Amino acid sequence: DTGVSQDPRHKITKRGQNVTFRCDPISEHNRLYWYRQTLGQGPEFLTYFQNEAQLEKSRLLSDRFSAERPKGSFSTLEIQRTEQGDSAMYLCASSPGQGFSGELFFGEGSRLTVL
Amino acid sequence: AQSVTQPDIHITVSEGASLELRCNYSYGATPYLFWYVQSPGQGLQLLLKYFSGDTLVQGIKGFEAEFKRSQSSFNLRKPSVHWSDAAEYFCAPSSGNTGKLIFGQGTTLQVKP
Repeated sequence: DTGVSQDPRHKITKRGQNVTFRCDPISEHNRLYWYRQTLGQGPEFLTYFQNEAQLEKSRLLSDRFSAERPKGSFSTLEIQRTEQGDSAMYLCASSPGQGFSGELFFGEGSRLTVL
Repeated sequence: AQSVTQPDIHITVSEGASLELRCNYSYGATPYLFWYVQSPGQGLQLLLKYFSGDTLVQGIKGFEAEFKRSQSSFNLRKPSVHWSDAAEYFCAPSSGNTGKLIFGQGTTLQVKP
């Protein structure tokens, strides 16, 4: 399967702990996006990478959130000192090419539950 | 500010009946427009997209959508719904050259046998 892969699929943690999610985009896709989706809502944009450069961050991405894409391939999203409000599905998507790229290809998501 | 509205939170239709899901957007210029579907436990899948040209676009699974500039709408339609179409549907304009999608709240489709 050469789709977008996310790991772990499910994470349960206690409030105050740190968690990290990994996303492996489709090979050779140079754009990578992170979204957050809570129950009954559409996905909300968090951040966007063009290769290894993080070019846009949403105001939703507080100081406790950090994302990296060190070699322009896989990406990680870390949440420090988790809060119950961080419970959500974290979605990763990738797309190819320069300029406007059209379709985003989504992974199945990483579901976070903060107790 | 750019925004997208899906007025119907939940829609129930009988199998075999026609379907229309509404989407309205507010953008400075004509955006690129997408419809995605999310089935339980599955990732978001692209149904169709509009970039330019013919305002009626065809997608997968028998879906189509019509772009109406005067109404700032991009409604999704299907002539005959199948039970497997039960899912969450999202309208998503694209913001600028980053390819970032702005998603609506979504419409949950329930199909009655």
